[in-house]
Amino acid sequence: DVKVTQSSRYLVKRTGEKVFLECVQDMDHENMFWYRQDPGLGLRLIYFSYDVKMKEKGDIPEGYSVSREKKERFSLILESASTNQTSMYLCASRLDEGGDGNTIYFGEGSWLTVV
Amino acid sequence: GQQLNQSPQSMFIQEGEDVSMNCTSSSIFNTWLWYKQDPGEGPVLLIALYKAGELTSNGRLTAQFGITRKDSFLNISASIPSDVGIYFCAGQWTGTASKLTFGTGTRLQVTL
Repeated sequence: DVKVTQSSRYLVKRTGEKVFLECVQDMDHENMFWYRQDPGLGLRLIYFSYDVKMKEKGDIPEGYSVSREKKERFSLILESASTNQTSMYLCASRLDEGGDGNTIYFGEGSWLTVV
Repeated sequence: GQQLNQSPQSMFIQEGEDVSMNCTSSSIFNTWLWYKQDPGEGPVLLIALYKAGELTSNGRLTAQFGITRKDSFLNISASIPSDVGIYFCAGQWTGTASKLTFGTGTRLQVTL
């Protein structure tokens, strides 16, 4: 079974703090994604990565950065957390494009509250 | 970003009833995915569809990839209390940025 693990399920951070959300997948997937999910807005893509050290902006990249130094790990960074970044963050991975490689698997989610 | 039209938005059903929900898009996809999300958890993949016309089952769940490539439906037979949750469809077209487009979700609630 595919396993996408988000290291922190619940975090509370102060405004202005630097926040790291870590995600690890164990299936040698090429592609990894970070989404945030908010009531009424659905799932929105923040950043995605096709391969190690490669990243692409999603729909809402402002205020975020990412790091993918190793294939299995994709980190989301909030350089200076703000209250409007309070949300549920979902990491996902995909083998690659094409056929059943198109299937995307999600982690359990990280609830971030910025106070 | 774009969201797919998913209906119904929510539904109350009696235990044992069958459920049907669908998703439509203005764009063509070559992959349709169906997920279930429990409160406070991440989406869990239920069924993946890769070919137009494909009909796939997973236990009491059956999903179909529409012939036009612009729609998909999910059926749940003989619903049980643990079916409660939010169901999302997602479509994808390989060759563009390969990003998923999600449906707006169907909230399923089961009464005993």
